Amino acid sequence: EAQVTQNPRYLITVTGKKLTVTCSQNMNHEYMSWYRQDPGLGLRQIYYSMNVEVTDKGDVPEGYKVSRKEKRNFPLILESPSPNQTSLYFCASTGQGANEQFFGPGTRLTVL
Amino acid sequence: SQQGEEDPQALSIQEGENATMNCSYKTSINNLQWYRQNSGRGLVHLILIRSNEREKHSGRLRVTLDTSKKSSSLLITASRAADTASYFCATDPLFNDYKLSFGAGTTVTVRA
Repeated sequence: EAQVTQNPRYLITVTGKKLTVTCSQNMNHEYMSWYRQDPGLGLRQIYYSMNVEVTDKGDVPEGYKVSRKEKRNFPLILESPSPNQTSLYFCASTGQGANEQFFGPGTRLTVL
Repeated sequence: SQQGEEDPQALSIQEGENATMNCSYKTSINNLQWYRQNSGRGLVHLILIRSNEREKHSGRLRVTLDTSKKSSSLLITASRAADTASYFCATDPLFNDYKLSFGAGTTVTVRA
């Protein structure tokens, strides 16, 4: 089944404790992206990647890092999480030449 | 930055009625897409309309695009309880098909 998976789905952590949210897709898509969703603000793009080893900042990259060492994986790293990073995070992917983005199920992160 | 803005923020209708929501955006685009999100889950792509198209249909969905007014509308005909969800428009700017900007969404409730 074609899908985007994220882990963990739920995470409660404390300020300053480094964490990684994994994202994997099995559709051989070139493009992957991370978004955060906050009430009343819709989805805001954090980082995106056009292909392996090619990443670029989205609209709200501060406090986040990403890497794209393999085509299928695009982890989101929070080196020192803060409470304002409490949010619902989505990973998405799309194939080259396409526009439709396939979204993962989301990761609900709470930073205390 | 948020490119699209949906209107209204919330909509409540009776099953069988039509639901219409609008999206306005600020800068020139390649395409405009509509997505649906059920209760905090991942977004699901509904329909894409290109900047040189004015209207598009998919099942019970009808999308219009007016590039001169920088606006789009999504019409769901003969609504069902299963249509209860949040609906988001997403635009991609000229020269970057993959950098989607989402609006804050319209929450639609269909009453049985």
